[in-house]
Amino acid sequence: GAVVSQHPSWVICKSGTSVKIECRSLDFQATTMFWYRQFPKQSLMLMATSNEGSKATYEQGVEKDKFLINHASLTLSTLTVTSAHPEDSSFYICSAPLLGLTYEQYFGPGTRLTVT
Amino acid sequence: RKEVEQDPGPFNVPEGATVAFNCTYSNSASQSFFWYRQDCRKEPKLLMSVYSSGNEDGRFTAQLNRASQYISLLIRDSKLSDSATYLCVVNRNAGNMLTFGGGTRLMVKP
Repeated sequence: GAVVSQHPSWVICKSGTSVKIECRSLDFQATTMFWYRQFPKQSLMLMATSNEGSKATYEQGVEKDKFLINHASLTLSTLTVTSAHPEDSSFYICSAPLLGLTYEQYFGPGTRLTVT
Repeated sequence: RKEVEQDPGPFNVPEGATVAFNCTYSNSASQSFFWYRQDCRKEPKLLMSVYSSGNEDGRFTAQLNRASQYISLLIRDSKLSDSATYLCVVNRNAGNMLTFGGGTRLMVKP
């Protein structure tokens, strides 16, 4: 089946640094990808919709200047957490819908970010 | 009111038991409904889509009641491997964006 990969799977960084997370669709093209964040014992919260060739759409309350999204190609979207703080520590997951299949999405394995 | 609401549980059941989870959604324009399963520290995985006519996949049965905006998941003959968090997921309006419920944690014990 369709596969979405994420890199890195986990990362530890110091406060104030920036971290880039990659999301790739491995055997299909994705004009749209979604970025979610999940805090411990909470559900996934949609952060933004990444659109190939245009700007990302951010959910209310998500700072676009802090969470930079670039959909560089039909198979790659990146999320950069800029000037990371400990409260940004979370599980970041991307997903991509299969073209032609309404609403069915495939999730990446997630990236666990810890900011010290 | 949350867009998708679930009882967080945990539901602690013995092996072989039948367990049912419920979910309500607030957006009447929602058109697609799913149950996902999430294991600890892993990404969600699609368990099954939910159709108006109800659908069954082995030990799992999903039901949708559009009038009441209510979705259910029934698991029969629970296995230890069924222990996970079950997420009720609804598409947002007519697009591809999904809204997740808070999840219901199931623990199946020997």
